[in-house]
Amino acid sequence: QVQLQESGPGLVRPSQTLSLTCSVSGDSITSGHFYLYWIRQHPGKGLEWIGYISHSGRTSYNPSLKSRISISVDTSQNQVSLKLDSVSAADTAVYYCAKDRPQWSNAFDLWGPGTMVTVSS
Amino acid sequence: SYDLTQPPSVSVALGQTATIPCGGNNIGGKHVHWYQQKPGQAPLLVIYRDSGRPSGLPERFSGSNSGHTATLTIFRAQVEDEADYFCQVWDSDLHLFGPGTKVTVL
Repeated sequence: QVQLQESGPGLVRPSQTLSLTCSVSGDSITSGHFYLYWIRQHPGKGLEWIGYISHSGRTSYNPSLKSRISISVDTSQNQVSLKLDSVSAADTAVYYCAKDRPQWSNAFDLWGPGTMVTVSS
Repeated sequence: SYDLTQPPSVSVALGQTATIPCGGNNIGGKHVHWYQQKPGQAPLLVIYRDSGRPSGLPERFSGSNSGHTATLTIFRAQVEDEADYFCQVWDSDLHLFGPGTKVTVL
């Protein structure tokens, strides 16, 4: 059974780089069974798709964040990483990683518990 | 960009039927997924590809999609169904979420 777990600093200073990791257990990222996504939720707000990475390393990013985002995969650790540059208070949110199920038109069938990131000096 | 609309809130009496719309231009031509989110928890997929129901989900959750509106229906609503519900589509390699609907069970 696949499980996802986000990790990273809960507090980031403005203008710095936010770095988060999603650890995958129960299946290999390179299996090709799913893509991995980053999604965030501002406090009390809706969900915002950040981007995804495929098992082959192909990425796609939300155009509104594209200039500041990098998503990468570490196959040796079975982890996916998110880096978001030049953060501001507007990047304060709960960050989730999620996997899709391609047979279900890429619905997000599993989410990590999420990690809260606050941008503040 | 493609926009999705949802009413901010829907109320339903215990045991009655709740209907949650998700509007979008010709959304009937896309696949719509629905997620339930309770306070402090990650979202949970409740309907995939318009009307599919993941195993383990109660049969009272049902979905449909046609024209400009997709709909999540909760039959015989229970107290535990009180949550936020988000619709989601995949359009031009972008994953888009609706603003969410808070369902209150009275």
